[in-house]
Amino acid sequence: DAGVTQSPTHLIKTRGQHVTLRCSPISGHKSVSWYQQVLGQGPQFIFQYYEKEERGRGNFPDRFSARQFPNYSSELNVNALLLGDSALYLCASSSIGIGSYNEQFFGPGTRLTVL
Amino acid sequence: RKEVEQDPGPFNVPEGATVAFNCTYSNSASQSFFWYRQDCRKEPKLLMSVYSSGNEDGRFTAQLNRASQYISLLIRDSKLSDSATYLCAVKILSNTGNQFYFGTGTSLTVIP
Repeated sequence: DAGVTQSPTHLIKTRGQHVTLRCSPISGHKSVSWYQQVLGQGPQFIFQYYEKEERGRGNFPDRFSARQFPNYSSELNVNALLLGDSALYLCASSSIGIGSYNEQFFGPGTRLTVL
Repeated sequence: RKEVEQDPGPFNVPEGATVAFNCTYSNSASQSFFWYRQDCRKEPKLLMSVYSSGNEDGRFTAQLNRASQYISLLIRDSKLSDSATYLCAVKILSNTGNQFYFGTGTSLTVIP
C-alpha cells in the first residue's frame, strides 16, 4: 500500500512569493494534517482537515491556508513568503478526524527554502 | 510555557542498555498521546500510541501518568538501530477543534 505522498520534495522560492504544497493521504484515510518543522524543533501543527472541513488550526498567520479535496488530498498554500518560512512541511494522514486516537502517519515532507 | 516538554538529551548509551525518556504536558485536557521516532532528515514515524493502562511493543514500553501529566518511553536492550530522535506528541480537543503538539525531541545514540 502506498503511504502518504507529498509534492514537490524540494522547493526554492524568494521572499514575497507564493507556494502551494500538495499531499495525498493513505488510501482510505479521510483526515490530513499539516505541520511545519524547523531544524532542531518538533513539528508545529498548522491545520487539520477531515471530510473537507477544517477541524483544527494551529498558531500560524493568515498567510497560511489549506483545503481538502473530495478525494481527500490536500493543498497547503503560503502567501507572501518570509525567510522564516524555510522549513520542512509535513503532511500527516489518519483514518479519523475526530475521536481520541488520531494516529497520524507522516509523508516524506516538502523542504522549502526561502531566499 | 510550552504545551509539551522533553529533555533534548543527547542520550548516549551502550548497546544492550535500558534507556528511558520522559515527556511532560501542560494541558490537562490532553486526550491522546504518542511516541514518534525520527531519523535524520526523514519524516517522523509512529512508534506507538500511549494508552492509560500503559502498553508494550517488544522492547518498547510506554506509560501515561495523567495525575503528574507525563508520558514515558522505555527502551530495553538497546540496538544500534534505535539511534534516532524520539518525539512525544499529544492531541488536545479544544473549542476551536483539534490541536496537536510535539515536543522538540530527545536524541538517542546507541554506541557499539
